[in-house]
Amino acid sequence: DAGITQSPRHKVTETGTPVTLRCHQTENHRYMYWYRQDPGHGLRLIHYSYGVKDTDKGEVSDGYSVSRSKTEDFLLTLESATSSQTSVYFCAISRQGSYGYTFGSGTRLTVV
Amino acid sequence: GQQVMQIPQYQHVQEGEDFTTYCNSSTTLSNIQWYKQRPGGHPVFLIQLVKSGEVKKQKRLTFQFGEAKKNSSLHITATQTTDVGTYFCAGQATSYDKVIFGPGTSLSVIP
Repeated sequence: DAGITQSPRHKVTETGTPVTLRCHQTENHRYMYWYRQDPGHGLRLIHYSYGVKDTDKGEVSDGYSVSRSKTEDFLLTLESATSSQTSVYFCAISRQGSYGYTFGSGTRLTVV
Repeated sequence: GQQVMQIPQYQHVQEGEDFTTYCNSSTTLSNIQWYKQRPGGHPVFLIQLVKSGEVKKQKRLTFQFGEAKKNSSLHITATQTTDVGTYFCAGQATSYDKVIFGPGTSLSVIP
């Protein structure tokens, strides 16, 4: 959707290397989220942010960290990538916490 | 913790047949949302329901929120090939809680 972009769209990386995924929004929404999507598991929340420098853990946060230094950017970092982190990662934004999310186009990450 | 379940996991229908997916929560919800994800795409927000017993329609799609606010359904009348995709429900226990997504129902439409 217009207003939210993820980069890169695809990435292949080696086990043990750090990886950073970027989510950029132009909607000035307060809430931003990182999800991973795997077959059989649906969408699982990794981390979310409710404002600049305000972040919290989701249900599958181990091995991931996030940062939000500006309203428009939400970064997801895999400190030391593992094969179990091979997944499709989606960023989402919402105007307020109790309203529908707008998702980015996703990043397909492969850890070899 | 809160769990959101959906049935069926997969559904194959002939074009023109109706389709229904059901969503059930382990806890009472303040609202429920529905999303559609086309193959290879990203989830797209369809609708949000907040009132007990609420029914909303979008063309051939009918969404319903149960009286107890623990279940919901999405019904598609006369499916078309453009309806292909995975339909997710997502619920919040309160407006301050995180949204929990169901595992989705994958719909295939046979022309």
